[in-house]
Amino acid sequence: VQLVESGGGLVQPGKSLKLSCSASGFTFSSYGMHWIRQAPGKGLDWVAYISSSSGTVYADAVKGRFTISRDNAKNTLYLQLNSLKSEDTAIYYCARHYYDGTWFAYWGQGTLVTVSS
Amino acid sequence: NIVLTQSPASLAVILGQKATISCTASESVNKFGINLMHWYQQKPGQLPKILIYNEFSRAPGIPARFSGDEAELNFTLTIEPVEADDVATYYCQQGLTFPYTFGAGTKLELK
Repeated sequence: VQLVESGGGLVQPGKSLKLSCSASGFTFSSYGMHWIRQAPGKGLDWVAYISSSSGTVYADAVKGRFTISRDNAKNTLYLQLNSLKSEDTAIYYCARHYYDGTWFAYWGQGTLVTVSS
Repeated sequence: NIVLTQSPASLAVILGQKATISCTASESVNKFGINLMHWYQQKPGQLPKILIYNEFSRAPGIPARFSGDEAELNFTLTIEPVEADDVATYYCQQGLTFPYTFGAGTKLELK
């Protein structure tokens, strides 16, 4: 299993950014996928989930601003970040749970999003 | 939302001694008799690594020095004996309901 994020960078407050996570080594379309973030020097913060059938769930802090999506043909997971705030500054990880378990067994290396003017 | 209260925030332990980290859930995380509580280790500059899943099951390759337990919504991660390589931050995580939540973390250092 390999997960590789991209798309992070420096963005001004109120602007948008789209993150990608390229997946390989497993049947991507069969698994739900998550985004988890970690602010610099802080703890882990679950962000969003998309099921194999594209049902979505969001953390309260990002609901209405972030959108998780997937393209099974491209084996790619996305996170659209809109109306960014300084408190969204973090490393964003895509992650997969272990088969039918609820723990995160596989993590990408993360992509850093910095929201600053 | 299920709130996980983790304590202590930091812990200094002598090599070879025992470290105990607590994670108290605001409500049950039990599904069909299994507590969906998991523990991770994160070393500086590294990704989180699963240590314990479903309350007490060790992930592949995790030594028996790491163990998980539960008593009345209070989950514990025990490391005994502590080794130098165990210096890290430890997180609990519940997988019962969305939003999945993590504890705030416990930083383990050597005394």
